[in-house]
Amino acid sequence: DIVMTQSPLSLPVTPGEPASISCRSSQSLLHNNGHNYLDWYLQKPGQSPQLLIYLGSNRASGVPDRFSGSGSGTDFTLKISRVEAADVGVYYCMQALQIPYSFGQGTKLEVK
Amino acid sequence: QVQLQQWGAGLLKPSETLSLTCAVYGGSFSDHYWSWVRQPPGKGLEWIGEINHRGTTKYNPSLKSRVTISVDTSKNQFSLSLTPVSAADAALYFCAGYVGGWKGVDCWGQGTLVTVSS
Repeated sequence: DIVMTQSPLSLPVTPGEPASISCRSSQSLLHNNGHNYLDWYLQKPGQSPQLLIYLGSNRASGVPDRFSGSGSGTDFTLKISRVEAADVGVYYCMQALQIPYSFGQGTKLEVK
Repeated sequence: QVQLQQWGAGLLKPSETLSLTCAVYGGSFSDHYWSWVRQPPGKGLEWIGEINHRGTTKYNPSLKSRVTISVDTSKNQFSLSLTPVSAADAALYFCAGYVGGWKGVDCWGQGTLVTVSS
């Protein structure tokens, strides 16, 4: 199974400041079609997860351009250019290259 | 816009069977893969398995011997069965969906909390 490791696990951020979350996989997520099968999700308090980024760097419909995803192979990053209060929650990376799909442990973002 | 609505029993005894159903509204049922994901209290997310409209399934090997996912295309519904349950299966269970030609898990149910207690 592919193991996903996120850091940090807790991320306090001042509103208006940038934030960055790292995700590493135990195997390369680069498919031979050229896409990295790595997604990012946000689970706001008391809600279901919501898709932010798919295939490493593609923003899902309706996701603000403050959110961006980058990386390839085994190292990926989610960046928020300017954190807002509405961004509070737990961020998960997920690999969809190989069954069973697997998630990172989650990074809890809080606003100072 | 696809919407998922799920339901099922929330309190089980050890050794019983967990049964959840998810109804799909809007969008194309046959274009998606339908899945179940669970989240133990205070913990992260675990992918359980998926099914397509033809009934082809894939399961997490860690649960494969106890899990069955089925589909009813006449009702645009899919279901999860897990048996026998133990305290380790207590979790918030989500149904979810994604299209073929990966574009992320783009629709999620509201979640069903399942408690296992004697």
